Amino acid sequence: EDQVTQSPEALRLQEGESSSLNCSYTVSGLRGLFWYRQDPGKGPEFLFTLYSAGEEKEKERLKATLTKKESFLHITAPKPEDSATYLCAVPGSARQLTFGSGTQLTVLP
Amino acid sequence: EAGVTQFPSHSVIEKGQTVTLRCDPISGHDNLYWYRRVMGKEIKFLLHFVKESKQDESGMPNNRFLAERTGGTYSTLKVQPAELEDSGVYFCASSHGTLTQYFGPGTRLTVL
Repeated sequence: EDQVTQSPEALRLQEGESSSLNCSYTVSGLRGLFWYRQDPGKGPEFLFTLYSAGEEKEKERLKATLTKKESFLHITAPKPEDSATYLCAVPGSARQLTFGSGTQLTVLP
Repeated sequence: EAGVTQFPSHSVIEKGQTVTLRCDPISGHDNLYWYRRVMGKEIKFLLHFVKESKQDESGMPNNRFLAERTGGTYSTLKVQPAELEDSGVYFCASSHGTLTQYFGPGTRLTVL
């Protein structure tokens, strides 16, 4: 059974204070790893897909990286508008996503 | 391009009543998925349609839940009769050709 664990559960940063979120996974065969952003009262918004160890993707202040056991979401010089819950997920053999519990990020001005 | 839409956004019903949730996927997306998040838990998979066929319904909690996708377009998820533990947020997602799934805003269901 696929498992995804995210840490920390919550993270408070000052504006401009860079940090990283962690997503550890256990899967029978990695078919990809997804990062989503979720704002309160909304659905998950797709950010990145990573397919193989060593791969990196960037979008504005966010950079996602992937190893054989975990993925990191690096946030560089965050702004208050980056505050959200960040979710990672892995697809199973039948395409169903297994999600982690998320990291709730708060960026203070 | 319109995203995934869901209706209603909120529903409050009493235990024993019936509720039907609707999802309209992104146009042209053959794959449609239902997920659920109950209070304090992570988002969990319910089922997967490819066009009008159920590809995987291993996540459906019990036979009080019935999902349909007539004509391979929109989908409905009916809960009958609703129980207290069915409360949560129900998300729909769709995809086409890739594993990347795009999510709707969700329907918040409260069973009293």
